[in-house]
Amino acid sequence: KQEVTQIPAALSVPEGENLVLNCSFTDSAIYNLQWFRQDPGKGLTSLLLIQSSQREQTSGRLNASLDKSSGRSTLYIAASQPGDSATYLCAVLISYNTDKLIFGTGTRLQVFP
Amino acid sequence: DAGVIQSPRHEVTEMGQEVTLRCKPISGHDYLFWYRQTMMRGLELLIYFNNNVPIDDSGMPEDRFSAKMPNASFSTLKIQPSEPRDSAVYFCASSSRTSGNRLSEQYFGPGTRLTVT
Repeated sequence: KQEVTQIPAALSVPEGENLVLNCSFTDSAIYNLQWFRQDPGKGLTSLLLIQSSQREQTSGRLNASLDKSSGRSTLYIAASQPGDSATYLCAVLISYNTDKLIFGTGTRLQVFP
Repeated sequence: DAGVIQSPRHEVTEMGQEVTLRCKPISGHDYLFWYRQTMMRGLELLIYFNNNVPIDDSGMPEDRFSAKMPNASFSTLKIQPSEPRDSAVYFCASSSRTSGNRLSEQYFGPGTRLTVT
């Protein structure tokens, strides 16, 4: 059974810092991995999607990497801003017999001025 | 496109009542997903459809839950009878296949916050 874990559960950093959020999954047989952002009381917004054949994806100040063999993905946020404060979730699309996304537990990020 | 649309945004009901949540996916998307989010269990997939056909309903907690997709632009999630432990935020999401037959990003609606008293 695929399990997805995110560490740390919460993170508080000053504005301007570069930071890394971690996502681990137990079964390396995945189709893709997606990073989402969720603001309080809101839905999820897709940030980046990495296909299983890719190593990384970049969008603006965000860079996500994928290492399938070790069951890990990282989301790198450069020059963090208060507007980055949100909960970040990773999710893996398991590759056999289903199109189900399995979500991680999330990292709650606070960037203070 | 307006994105995934869900209604109502908030629902408060008494235990035992029927609750119907509604979702309109993004036009052209042929996959639709229903999720439930709680503090205790996080985000869980309840059921998903492909081309209006339910593919996997293994996440539906009990027979009190049912979902339908009568056409490509509308889906409902019904709880009958509702119970206090059903209180959660229910999300609908949609996506489609890429040219390489891979599932694209899932786009989420704003959610319906359900409170059962």
